[in-house]
Amino acid sequence: DGGITQSPKYLFRKEGQNVTLSCEQNLNHDAMYWYRQDPGQGLRLIYYSQIVNDFQKGDIAEGYSVSREKKESFPLTVTSAQKNPTAFYLCASSTTVNTGELFFGEGSRLTVL
Amino acid sequence: ELKVEQNPLFLSMQEGKNYTIYCNYSTTSDRLYWYRQDPGKSLESLFVLLSNGAVKQEGRLMASLDTKARLSTLHITAAVHDLSATYFCAVDSEETSGSRLTFGEGTQLTVNP
Repeated sequence: DGGITQSPKYLFRKEGQNVTLSCEQNLNHDAMYWYRQDPGQGLRLIYYSQIVNDFQKGDIAEGYSVSREKKESFPLTVTSAQKNPTAFYLCASSTTVNTGELFFGEGSRLTVL
Repeated sequence: ELKVEQNPLFLSMQEGKNYTIYCNYSTTSDRLYWYRQDPGKSLESLFVLLSNGAVKQEGRLMASLDTKARLSTLHITAAVHDLSATYFCAVDSEETSGSRLTFGEGTQLTVNP
């Protein structure tokens, strides 16, 4: 079945540590995205990538980094520079043509202890 | 900067009743999306609205788009408990190619027996 796989689902981290969240898709979509969701709030765009080896900052990129070495994969690193990293992180993908509809993974919940 | 506002943010309604959720946005766009999120889960696409006057219906939910008024509505007919969830609208900015969605804060719907 085609879809988007995020791992891990739950992650605990100590302050000062970097963590990397994985996102893999087999939908053959060109574009991939990372969103952050805080409790009771909407989604905010962290980074997005429309093609391999290219990515752009979203609205809240500070303290995060990404890479796009393969079409299928778009990992997100939450660095120690991110002041408030505890949140629910959602990866999504879309084709760059047609409707532009986003398809989401199941999410990764990061808690900083 | 594109702003997307939903109202109400919280909605408690009885089964069998009708209600409408409103989504207003601040800049020109003719691509609007509605998503559903169950607690602790990812987002599920409900509707994709791509032109002025677009109307789509699925079961007890109907969505419409008025690009001149910069307004979309999500109408719930004869609500049932299974519709309890958080509903997000998202608007695609015309400033960039591909999809770059700005999300509303979400409307948390509770349908009571």
